[in-house]
Amino acid sequence: GDSVTQMEGPVTLSEEAFLTINCTYTATGYPSLFWYVQYPGEGLQLLLKATKADDKGSNKGFEATYRKETTSFHLEKGSVQVSDSAVYFCALSGGGKLIFGQGTELSVKP
Amino acid sequence: EADIYQTPRYLVIGTGKKITLECSQTMGHDKMYWYQQDPGMELHLIHYSYGVNSTEKGDLSSESTVSRIRTEHFPLTLESARPSHTSQYLCASSEGTGASYRSSYEQYFGPGTRLTVT
Repeated sequence: GDSVTQMEGPVTLSEEAFLTINCTYTATGYPSLFWYVQYPGEGLQLLLKATKADDKGSNKGFEATYRKETTSFHLEKGSVQVSDSAVYFCALSGGGKLIFGQGTELSVKP
Repeated sequence: EADIYQTPRYLVIGTGKKITLECSQTMGHDKMYWYQQDPGMELHLIHYSYGVNSTEKGDLSSESTVSRIRTEHFPLTLESARPSHTSQYLCASSEGTGASYRSSYEQYFGPGTRLTVT
């Protein structure tokens, strides 16, 4: 069945460092891909999305490109801030529902 | 901005009590979902609904039940709470079949209810 695999956390970075969180997927058909962010004590918020191959989703300095050839949707940000500390979830649409990865915790130190 | 609400935000309750977690959305979305999030952060779909009077069990077996009598309301009930039910419960909604094929999968989440059963 469809599945999403994220790089394991926690990831700890210094402020202004470059961020990559890897996400790969297995799916039949042509799913949409999403990154959600969960700040402490809150629900999930949609960060960005891409609906077809080669689409780039972007928001708040974060970017991810839908790569069908490598079945990947890696999240990147050029310069992280302390306020980016959160849990990040990669997800794909499958069977009318969202299938989530296991989440990657990011901690950014000043 | 998404408008989906959950109450209570935090609940501590004794074993054997009956509880209902409330979830409401004002976006007119047809689809609604309940997730259980364990301390390791992983999300598990426990119930979903594609419209009024429609409810389905999710991927993770749960002793909870749900109802969908009104479009905007999707409460979750535990008849007899146990310590193993201690978890974070997240409600979400998405557009139904009236939306484009792609956008219908984007889900909007409530703030969650953190349940502790002692």
